[in-house]
Amino acid sequence: NAGVMQNPRHLVRRRGQEARLRCSPMKGHSHVYWYRQLPEEGLKFMVYLQKENIIDESGMPKERFSAEFPKEGPSILRIQQVVRGDSAAYFCASSYRQGSSTDTQYFGPGTRLTVL
Amino acid sequence: KQEVTQIPAALSVPEGENLVLNCSFTDSAIYNLQWFRQDPGKGLTSLLLIQSSQREQTSGRLNASLDKSSGRSTLYIAASQPGDSATYLCAVRPDTGTASKLTFGTGTRLQVTL
Repeated sequence: NAGVMQNPRHLVRRRGQEARLRCSPMKGHSHVYWYRQLPEEGLKFMVYLQKENIIDESGMPKERFSAEFPKEGPSILRIQQVVRGDSAAYFCASSYRQGSSTDTQYFGPGTRLTVL
Repeated sequence: KQEVTQIPAALSVPEGENLVLNCSFTDSAIYNLQWFRQDPGKGLTSLLLIQSSQREQTSGRLNASLDKSSGRSTLYIAASQPGDSATYLCAVRPDTGTASKLTFGTGTRLQVTL
């Protein structure tokens, strides 16, 4: 059973371009979470999705950022018109279900975005 | 708003020592608490998960305790090894409705020297 897959692992974009980050959850997992880790800071929650639904986007910047988790295919975190402050490591996590106190979130290796 | 603090921010110990990492949180209404390990440039590996009703969990040389009422958790590492060198993160999950998001501390960077 493969773990959480993220690609690309490293992404370089120039200011104003778009960045697309992909996350394939573990097999059988239908809950996906995105977190961002800015340099020298802790991980911050961005968004929580289930298949075809955004459940909690309270940590997402209001502009330029969007996320989806379609019925088929990976979850996508999209950043439009990137700025240097978007440079960070973006981690995806998945879980089997929500509502169990023992339900662990399994993390992917992250995508390191660098904006030039 | 939940805030998670980890002390110390960095720690260096010689191989073989036992050590304790500390985590404190401001809102005691938590569902569970997890300890993670993060290696440089890598993702997070879950080490231990403690349910809100539990006091401690053990896995090998690791033991995590939880005092929910005082908002504290500790991670005890016995007989440390150089391979334990990494950043250790604690994270809490709130005990509110459908909320599943984790709030992380900023981590303790551990170096175990030969």
